[in-house]
Amino acid sequence: KNQVEQSPQSLIILEGKNCTLQCNYTVSPFSNLRWYKQDTGRGPVSLTIMTFSENTKSNGRYTATLDADTKQSSLHITASQLSDSASYICVVKNSGYALNFGKGTSLLVTP
Amino acid sequence: ETGVTQTPRHLVMGMTNKKSLKCEQHLGHNAMYWYKQSAKKPLELMFVYNFKEQTENNSVPSRFSPECPNSSHLFLHLHTLQPEDSALYLCASSQVEGGSSYNEQFFGPGTRLTVL
Repeated sequence: KNQVEQSPQSLIILEGKNCTLQCNYTVSPFSNLRWYKQDTGRGPVSLTIMTFSENTKSNGRYTATLDADTKQSSLHITASQLSDSASYICVVKNSGYALNFGKGTSLLVTP
Repeated sequence: ETGVTQTPRHLVMGMTNKKSLKCEQHLGHNAMYWYKQSAKKPLELMFVYNFKEQTENNSVPSRFSPECPNSSHLFLHLHTLQPEDSALYLCASSQVEGGSSYNEQFFGPGTRLTVL
């Protein structure tokens, strides 16, 4: 069964600190992996997308890594801001139209 | 904004009501999707339309009925829902092309549905 597991489930950090979110998956065959940010009451917005051959990709203060051998990905947030408070969802695509979603990590950045 | 709009943003309905959710995408995409997002659960794919044809129906109860009149509009008709159907319903769209593996989906803001 294709699964996407994220950790931690929730995280609280101080403004200005860094944090790393984890995603492990068993989806096969692998096509690509995306990280989405979902603000409360809004739809998910794509942060990064990586294919099998990409190990790292950055989008501003967000840096995603992918290890296709161990089927692990991480999202690193640098110098966190209050606006980073959101749910971060890891999504893995295999074939067809369907995406496999993780439950998300809820991040709260406090002053 | 992502180019995908949904109305209404909030909906409260009784179990005997009939209502419809609307989604419109302004991105020129050829595929549209309905997802259900419940608390502490991953997004669940409900329906997929590609070129206005329904290509997937993930064992969704018949009280949910999708309609895709053209590639820019998608509806979800609701009738005799149950309280456990209360959730955030998200619409998404993407451009599906032969040989492309990206299939990045753009999501609307969702409709928060409460069934009493």
